[in-house]
Amino acid sequence: EIVLTQSPTTMAASPGEKVTLTCRASSSVSYMHWYQQRSGASPKLWIYETSKLASGVPNRFSGSGSGTSYSLTINSMETEDAATYYCQQGSSYPWTFGGGTKLELK
Amino acid sequence: EVQLVESGGGLVQPGRSLKLSCAASGFTFSNYYMAWVRQAPKKGLEWVATISTSGSRTYYPDSVKGRFTISRDNAKSSLYLQMNSLKSEDTATYYCARLNYGDFDYWGQGVMVTVSS
Repeated sequence: EIVLTQSPTTMAASPGEKVTLTCRASSSVSYMHWYQQRSGASPKLWIYETSKLASGVPNRFSGSGSGTSYSLTINSMETEDAATYYCQQGSSYPWTFGGGTKLELK
Repeated sequence: EVQLVESGGGLVQPGRSLKLSCAASGFTFSNYYMAWVRQAPKKGLEWVATISTSGSRTYYPDSVKGRFTISRDNAKSSLYLQMNSLKSEDTATYYCARLNYGDFDYWGQGVMVTVSS
């Protein structure tokens, strides 16, 4: 099983601040996908195949990485970005999710 | 507009069974792999099951293999999850999700399953 470790577990950012969330895989994966989950809501696909933004995702978001190290970056934090972000690999079964990073507004 | 609507959740005793349903609309259901993902209270996401377009191939993690069965009815655009021998650790919100290429591109609103005596 490929274990995904996200860091940090929790963080707070001020409006306008640049934010980087990381996801490390225990073995190499082909792609990483990212989901945003706001409090009380269902998860939403946010970034797929490492760097492609899902429909409606603002272009202040970006994704990058390869092999065992991936990241999600917010160029300039906005209020609406406060949420929990999960990474997920679909390269090999069992598909797995990271534990999540809770991003709060400072 | 893609819509996935789950139903069938509730309170069930340990060792009993429950069947979840997911009604899909807004896309050609038979063209997509589908999946179930769950989230225990205040916890992260866990993939539960995947089914191929025809239903001939299914995949499960060890945590539910042998107890859960995913199935589909393409004529009814519906997805199902039969859960047997339920345990307290199966308590979670269960989401129906459409699969793209290894990623879940649409999610339902979720249905709560509580396993408790």
